[in-house]
Amino acid sequence: KQEVTQIPAALSVPEGENLVLNCSFTDSAIYNLQWFRQDPGKGLTSLLLIQSSQREQTSGRLNASLDKSSGRSTLYIAASQPGDSATYLCAVVSDYKLSFGAGTTVTVRA
Amino acid sequence: DVKVTQSSRYLVKRTGEKVFLECVQDMDHENMFWYRQDPGLGLRLIYFSYDVKMKEKGDIPEGYSVSREKKERFSLILESASTNQTSMYLCASSFGETYQPQHFGDGTRLSIL
Repeated sequence: KQEVTQIPAALSVPEGENLVLNCSFTDSAIYNLQWFRQDPGKGLTSLLLIQSSQREQTSGRLNASLDKSSGRSTLYIAASQPGDSATYLCAVVSDYKLSFGAGTTVTVRA
Repeated sequence: DVKVTQSSRYLVKRTGEKVFLECVQDMDHENMFWYRQDPGLGLRLIYFSYDVKMKEKGDIPEGYSVSREKKERFSLILESASTNQTSMYLCASSFGETYQPQHFGDGTRLSIL
C-alpha cells in the first residue's frame, strides 16, 4: 500500500522567504504526482502535476521536482507572500487512486 | 475551467438517518471519486467510479455506498449515519486516463449528532 509522508507538518516563515515543502512516498510505481493547495474549510486546488517521466514542473513562483527512484518530491515557492498561507498537500497516483500526504500547513508572516 | 459542484457546503444529520451527498461535474469526465478528510489522517478514498453504473471500493468503504446513474453525477450514501462519519467529504473527477489530474469540489462538512 502506498504511503505518502509530508514533513514538516507546519511551517512559519517571514514574508519574502523561499518555501521548501517535502513529500516522500514508499512505492515508486506511480503515474504522476500532484501538489494541491487547500484553504481553511475549502476544497483542493491543483497547483502542479508532474508525470512520472518528468523531473520537474514550474508555474510562476512554484517549482516542483520529482525523483521517482528515491520516492521524493519537493515543492519550492519563491518569495513567499501572506496569500501563500494555506495547507499544501501532495498526492501520488497509482492505479487510478490518489494517495495523499497529511499536508504541510504554511503561515507566511507579514 | 472544470467545475465540480457538491450540493451542500454544510450538513447536519442525526444518527441512524440515511444521508445523501451529491456531486456533479460539467466536463464529461469518466472518473469520479469520493474522499473523506479528517485531521491527522489526511484524505482517504471511500469509493470511485470509472463509468456509469460502475463502482469500485476505495480504502474505507464500510458504512457507505455510491450511485452513478448518469455520467455527470456521483452520489455518496450513508446508509445509517453514525457519529464517526462526521467529517469533510470531498468529491473529485478526472478524464479516463490514469495520468490525468483530479479536480475537486469545495467539500461538504457533515456533522452527525
